[in-house]
Amino acid sequence: DTAVSQTPKYLVTQMGNDKSIKCEQNLGHDTMYWYKQDSKKFLKIMFSYNNKELIINETVPNRFSPKSPDKAHLNLHINSLELGDSAVYFCASSHVGDSYGNTIYFGEGSWLTVV
Amino acid sequence: TQLLEQSPQFLSIQEGENLTVYCNSSSVFSSLQWYRQEPGEGPVLLVTVVTGGEVKKLKRLTFQFGDARKDSSLHITAAQPGDTGLYLCAGRSGYALNFGKGTSLLVTP
Repeated sequence: DTAVSQTPKYLVTQMGNDKSIKCEQNLGHDTMYWYKQDSKKFLKIMFSYNNKELIINETVPNRFSPKSPDKAHLNLHINSLELGDSAVYFCASSHVGDSYGNTIYFGEGSWLTVV
Repeated sequence: TQLLEQSPQFLSIQEGENLTVYCNSSSVFSSLQWYRQEPGEGPVLLVTVVTGGEVKKLKRLTFQFGDARKDSSLHITAAQPGDTGLYLCAGRSGYALNFGKGTSLLVTP
């Protein structure tokens, strides 16, 4: 069973479109994340939700809107897509109980290409 | 955001060679983790180091956390093609895990 699953894995879309990426985790974790990995492989946090509440909201354009309907799901909606949004988006989850470095489990990534 | 600098950025070696990857920061971390990412997949945790000066071994991989908990190193002995991948260090800052820019390792037979 896949621990953190995200769909779609590949997405090619035109500028100006609106798209969503869905994420689900079956690990019973209380915290979920969205990370963006650019073409230079830099992995940068975008958002984090703990028990459905937004706790991290890095400097990200407000065209990006995360939604967490429950603890097991964290979706990412992107409005008015731009060329610079092309990247790999990783969903991840963890249990924030151990303050010394609980493991973050990543999904396989969603490859977004904006043309 | 606490910055983590990794070096080298790229490393291409032959099977059997040894290598060391470094992760440095001006900030103190409560813990530091190393992940490996293979093409087409998400990062996977290799190790977590918590105590300053701590050394952990994972088969041919040796991880060390600096005494001041600001830096870490990953040493691979007798590298194999299966070690090829992107190695990422990450330091915890509150709820977030901040990553370095990674070291891309290629081990050729």
